[in-house]
Amino acid sequence: GENVEQHPSTLSVQEGDSAVIKCTYSDSASNYFPWYKQELGKRPQLIIDIRSNVGEKKDQRIAVTLNKTAKHFSLHITETQPEDSAVYFCAANSGGSNYKLTFGKGTLLTVNP
Amino acid sequence: DVKVTQSSRYLVKRTGEKVFLECVQDMDHENMFWYRQDPGLGLRLIYFSYDVKMKEKGDIPEGYSVSREKKERFSLILESASTNQTSMYLCASSLIGGNEAFFGQGTRLTVV
Repeated sequence: GENVEQHPSTLSVQEGDSAVIKCTYSDSASNYFPWYKQELGKRPQLIIDIRSNVGEKKDQRIAVTLNKTAKHFSLHITETQPEDSAVYFCAANSGGSNYKLTFGKGTLLTVNP
Repeated sequence: DVKVTQSSRYLVKRTGEKVFLECVQDMDHENMFWYRQDPGLGLRLIYFSYDVKMKEKGDIPEGYSVSREKKERFSLILESASTNQTSMYLCASSLIGGNEAFFGQGTRLTVV
């Protein structure tokens, strides 16, 4: 089955710096790669996603890049703010109809004021 | 607005009890999932369902079963609860074919 590896497990940055979180996946048939943000005590919520037919997608301060050949994708957050502090999860789909979502172990991002 | 609702926010059960966790979604999603979340281990898939009465094992199905009798409802069953099943349980739903999963608020289960 699909295996998703996520690094680093913790990341601490100064406000205004950039943060990068990286994930690799194993199933070459995966075609959907979402990123979720989970604030303390809350449910995970989608912040950005990318499909296999594009290499990069941006939404304001957040961007995701995908390298299908190398089977890795990354989340980039620029101009970080304290409210970006949370746990971030990457995921990849798999299964016969690609409906199964496998998540990475998560990255705890701390943005220091 | 998609709503995924789990029946309980907190549950305390005794070892050996049969436990039911219920999840309901209101967006006519085909896919429903049960995940378990533990510190340092991320979200691990227990079971998922892509249609009524259809289910497939995830990565950690041992000790769990599921039921999906109606499209909007997906139940997780712990046949005989054990202390190592103390965890946060998250239900999610999505449209078929690889799409955004919407999560419930979670059920924190403690087995004593």
